[in-house]
Order: sequence, then structure tokens, then C-alpha cells
Amino acid sequence: DTAVSQTPKYLVTQMGNDKSIKCEQNLGHDTMYWYKQDSKKFLKIMFSYNNKELIINETVPNRFSPKSPDKAHLNLHINSLELGDSAVYFCASSLYRQGYNEQFFGPGTRLTVL
Amino acid sequence: AQTVTQSQPEMSVQEAETVTLSCTYDTSESDYYLFWYKQPPSRQMILVIRQEAYKQQNATENRFSVNFQKAAKSFSLKISDSQLGDAAMYFCAYRSAYGSNFGNEKLTFGTGTRLTIIP
Repeated sequence: DTAVSQTPKYLVTQMGNDKSIKCEQNLGHDTMYWYKQDSKKFLKIMFSYNNKELIINETVPNRFSPKSPDKAHLNLHINSLELGDSAVYFCASSLYRQGYNEQFFGPGTRLTVL
Repeated sequence: AQTVTQSQPEMSVQEAETVTLSCTYDTSESDYYLFWYKQPPSRQMILVIRQEAYKQQNATENRFSVNFQKAAKSFSLKISDSQLGDAAMYFCAYRSAYGSNFGNEKLTFGTGTRLTIIP
């Protein structure tokens, strides 16, 4: 039983292309996140959604557009890919409640832009 | 804004020995959560241990324990009886307990420490 899944796991594409990464969670969570891990392994939040509503948008270029069709899915669409977009992208989810809410991470998608 | 610093890019330890990974953070908040995540070569992010700032008692999870020094803003991870499977990148992370409204619970990560276990 996969809790948080991402497709694809690997994505190799040319500069200028448009690509999407999909994320699904079957944990019944209501909040989902995208994090980016760069070549130096630094992890940084990009977006969060709660019940399909955008909550966090951390000054990410507008070539990145998250979309949440329902609470269980959060997709990331990237337009006009650039070399600097090469990274591992992690999806995560949590269930909002007062106090501590663990974030569960997906396996990551390694994006390589040539 | 909060920052998390891991000053040891790489550490190594003999199998069965004990190793401590360092983490410091900067925040003006009094209530927050701290975490250690493990990322093995498989890339999967695995939660190792968490600490709530309002709890003075240091968290422990089997061979993993933390030394939480709130005044010093220090949060180190001790791994006892190191095993080959402990080899991984370890990330320290911070999460504010304030403004914990829906979806506003981002994790702020340090730059990671690569831990090597020597057989």
C-alpha cells in the first residue's frame, strides 16, 4: 500500500518543454505540499494546498503551476523548462489538526532538463 | 524567517559505535517542532524523530535520541550502536507551531549531513 505516490519517478526532457508531475495520497489527508531538492540536496518548500486551496506559494516562478483537482491529488505543471529546474521534486501530505501533524513524503521525482 | 544550520556536511562512524549529528536553528518563536529526517540512497524521506519545543524531555526512538537545548537553539541527533542501514543523508527540520492553520505548516530544512558507516 503506497501512502504517497508520485509519477513519474524519473523525467528527462529538453529545455523549453512543458511537463507535469503527479502526486496522489491515499491517507485521507487534507493538506499536500511540493518541495524541491536541488543538486546540493537542499530541500525547500514550494507550495501547499489544503482542501484544494493554495495556501503557501514560496516565490516560485510562475512557470510552475500546481493544481489540486481533489484532496487526494496535487499535480505540478512546469512550463518552458530551464536547466535550473533540474532537481528532485517531493510531494508530501498531512492531516490538519491542532498541534503536531506529521508530513508523509512521496518517493520523489528526479527531473533532468537537458 | 527561521533558518536551520547543519555544520557537518559529512560524518563517519564505525559500525556499533555512537555518532552525534549537530543542528542549530534560529527563530524568535517560543513554540515549534523540530525533526530529524533520514534520506537513504533510495531518496525516500523518512521521519526519524521529532521534538516539541514546549517539552523539556529529550525525545528518544530506540537507538535514536536527541539533545534539545532550547536556550542555545541546538538540536543534535545521537545514533547509538550504528548499523550499516543507518548510512544516509540526515536532515534537521523546523516547523512553527504558530499560524498552524490549514496548510500553513511548511518544514524548513538544514543542508543535511551525509553519514557513512564503516564496517
